[in-house]
Amino acid sequence: GQQVMQIPQYQHVQEGEDFTTYCNSSTTLSNIQWYKQRPGGHPVFLIQLVKSGEVKKQKRLTFQFGEAKKNSSLHITATQTTDVGTYFCAGPWDTGNQFYFGTGTSLTVIP
Amino acid sequence: GAVVSQHPSWVICKSGTSVKIECRSLDFQATTMFWYRQFPKQSLMLMATSNEGSKATYEQGVEKDKFLINHASLTLSTLTVTSAHPEDSSFYICSATITSGNTDTQYFGPGTRLTVL
Repeated sequence: GQQVMQIPQYQHVQEGEDFTTYCNSSTTLSNIQWYKQRPGGHPVFLIQLVKSGEVKKQKRLTFQFGEAKKNSSLHITATQTTDVGTYFCAGPWDTGNQFYFGTGTSLTVIP
Repeated sequence: GAVVSQHPSWVICKSGTSVKIECRSLDFQATTMFWYRQFPKQSLMLMATSNEGSKATYEQGVEKDKFLINHASLTLSTLTVTSAHPEDSSFYICSATITSGNTDTQYFGPGTRLTVL
């Protein structure tokens, strides 16, 4: 079946440092979404990327979809303590509208 | 923004009992809802797709007789964990999707933490 791996699994950064998580799929994706889950909370939608090579920005967050539509990345510039949480990529791997989540990257920001 | 609620937020039950979890879309209609489970420090695993007015679609390895799903209306889906056992203890989360233009935004409920003793 489809597999979606994210690296790294865990990341500790000093506040102010940058952070990047990578999402890699074994199959081509029609689109990809990113979510943030705070400890004890539920996933919150961040963004959706659809086009090959697409880049979108949300303030300090930059999202990129690979040219082959099999990988994606999320980059946070100058992390803040509010960025703490687990970041998941997800996408409809099949022809249906189900969403399958990546393995996630847990970010800890040290003040 | 769209809101999805779940009830109860947490439940503790004895082994062998059944537990029903409700998922409601509060300000929009959802013909399709999704049920996930999440173990501590792990990712969300899609269990099934709940379809209003028809049978749910279960993912491979998920027992449909164990996890009964009923999507009786456009705003309510229920997941019943039948004859629960300690290994069923987990965080169960539902979601619903709103499509706007070419963006499908998935809204998650707050989750239900199930503990089976």
